Amino acid sequence: DTEVTQTPKHLVMGMTNKKSLKCEQHMGHRAMYWYKQKAKKPPELMFVYSYEKLSINESVPSRFSPECPNSSLLNLHLHALQPEDSALYLCASSGPTRGKETQYFGPGTRLLVL
Amino acid sequence: GESVGLHLPTLSVQEGDNSIINCAYSNSASDYFIWYKQESGKGPQFIIDIRSNMDKRQGQRVTVLLNKTVKHLSLQIAATQPGDSAVYFCAENLKTSYDKVIFGPGTSLSVIP
Repeated sequence: DTEVTQTPKHLVMGMTNKKSLKCEQHMGHRAMYWYKQKAKKPPELMFVYSYEKLSINESVPSRFSPECPNSSLLNLHLHALQPEDSALYLCASSGPTRGKETQYFGPGTRLLVL
Repeated sequence: GESVGLHLPTLSVQEGDNSIINCAYSNSASDYFIWYKQESGKGPQFIIDIRSNMDKRQGQRVTVLLNKTVKHLSLQIAATQPGDSAVYFCAENLKTSYDKVIFGPGTSLSVIP
């Protein structure tokens, strides 16, 4: 089973709200990723967690805060977002060894910031 | 900076014909390449991959060709079906990075019934 799940599927939030996106995989993968995708554009890498430690942060603004509670879960905490942050947020995972492994994507959370 | 790009941003093919989607990459340090399919409203779906020590790899109705001399990657879809309509992304993995994959701009494939 190569399934990555994400909740919620859709999210509308105001610029003063705090919300969280959730991602889960049970494939024993040890790397998990957050991507941002704008319409008609490729996914852009935001964060990488490898063995539950943050290994890559692509200069993402601090209003996005990732968290990896355990090897199966990945959260993205959102606070004081801007309308331009509206996008599809994709989670992916790869593993189980640290090498050139295929990334499997979840269906994404479509976020609208008002 | 170095990036992965595509020659054709859009492609229309008749149902039953073969499709060829091309991708040019500029980073000679890339050693792993992946093709993803993304349907409307969904996340990217893995199609096929190829490592730099190979020239060709075949899957079910799909073939990926890698030409390292000219830094070119292609995805061939045999007997294209309406369900193949989607955006296709090539992606590269740098040899120096285990975790970072760089996506190309994507090609939109439309299958005409």
